[in-house]
Amino acid sequence: QVQLQESGPGLVKPSQTLSLTCTVSGVSINNGDSYWSWIRQHPGKGLEWIGYMHYSGTTYYNPSLRSRITLSVDTSKSQFSLKLNSVTAADTAVYFCARFYHDSSTLYPNWFDPWGQGTLVTVSS
Amino acid sequence: DIVMTQSPLSLPVTPGEPASISCRSSQSLLHRNGNTYLYWYLQKPGQSPQLLIYLGFNRASGVPDRFSGSGSGTDFTLKISRVEAEDVGIYYCMHALQIPITFGQGTRLEIK
Repeated sequence: QVQLQESGPGLVKPSQTLSLTCTVSGVSINNGDSYWSWIRQHPGKGLEWIGYMHYSGTTYYNPSLRSRITLSVDTSKSQFSLKLNSVTAADTAVYFCARFYHDSSTLYPNWFDPWGQGTLVTVSS
Repeated sequence: DIVMTQSPLSLPVTPGEPASISCRSSQSLLHRNGNTYLYWYLQKPGQSPQLLIYLGFNRASGVPDRFSGSGSGTDFTLKISRVEAEDVGIYYCMHALQIPITFGQGTRLEIK
């Protein structure tokens, strides 16, 4: 059973860098059909896709956040990470990690499943 | 970006009654490979979203058959044939046709 678990500081000061890690279990992070993803949910709001990364290094970002995001994968620890710099109060959200299941040759099935439980990050001084 | 628009945003339903949620995309989600990249998720209270329907009409593993997805092009519908108490939560549609992936605003289903 594939499981993902987010970890990281729950409070970040404005202008600093938000750093989160997601630990993967139940599947190899080197799985060729998996793109390791971040999605956030502002308080009481909907879902916003941040970006995802393949273990090979291929990365896709939401253009709205691209200039502030760094994604990385650590295959030795079965973890992947998100760094979001120059944060403001508008970055306060629950951050989810998820697996985007995508076969690049068949473009199938392209779903986010499973998701981690989510972690609330508050940006405040 | 493809804009996903859901309606209604709030849906009170009596247990045992049917429910229907609409999702409209700003452009067709039909790919030239024949797949339609439309998905439905349910976020139960205090939980992360769970996959219900993929590629427009396919139920994910373990999803009860009272849930069904339909539609094509830009207009899609999620139907629940008989709502149960455990179905409460926020339903989101999502497209995965291109970058960026975007979600609808969500429809909150509550029990009357």
